[in-house]
Amino acid sequence: DAKTTQPPSMDCAEGRAANLPCNHSTISGNEYVYWYRQIHSQGPQYIIHGLKNNETNEMASLIITEDRKSSTLILPHATLRDTAVYYCIVRGLTNSGYALNFGKGTSLLVTP
Amino acid sequence: DARVTQTPRHKVTEMGQEVTMRCQPILGHNTVFWYRQTMMQGLELLAYFRNRAPLDDSGMPKDRFSAEMPDATLATLKIQPSEPRDSAVYFCASGLGQGGQETQYFGPGTRLLVL
Repeated sequence: DAKTTQPPSMDCAEGRAANLPCNHSTISGNEYVYWYRQIHSQGPQYIIHGLKNNETNEMASLIITEDRKSSTLILPHATLRDTAVYYCIVRGLTNSGYALNFGKGTSLLVTP
Repeated sequence: DARVTQTPRHKVTEMGQEVTMRCQPILGHNTVFWYRQTMMQGLELLAYFRNRAPLDDSGMPKDRFSAEMPDATLATLKIQPSEPRDSAVYFCASGLGQGGQETQYFGPGTRLLVL
């Protein structure tokens, strides 16, 4: 799987959009970008994934650059409950093994 | 709202005792993953099942750990005998797929403390 780089921490005011960046400059053509988060003392939670088109679901939006070397997860209206560690994971269709490589992620703190 | 469930949520035991952790995957999912999370190592994959068959348990200490799926609604992870270094949070995840690349949905975890 391609290596990802995320800032270690970010702050966001409640009600504002949280934009979490991820660099994956070595991504290959068949690798997807996945986002998970882990709220303290809970299991990792799947958020969204995409290949090259932007994706949106009830939790977030995923913006992938045209060259696919970076992406941004957008939480449109952050709440205190969105405080968590966010993981960007690049994962291929083959030869990636079964384990998700969570790395260190970005610790997002949403403040009142 | 379909979820992976795990029991017990917390377990404190003494070294040498047997520990059994249970997981109920999301109904209809055909793959199950067992992970262990510690501060030092992060999340490590212990075992992977597809259609109840173990496909990968290379991450599991074979001498003391065992994982099974007695049926499609139950996965178990056993440690016998337990040791203090097994203290960790154990997560079960389930998914639907064939290639091992499916989206994984995690349970709340079992927090194990071995004294």
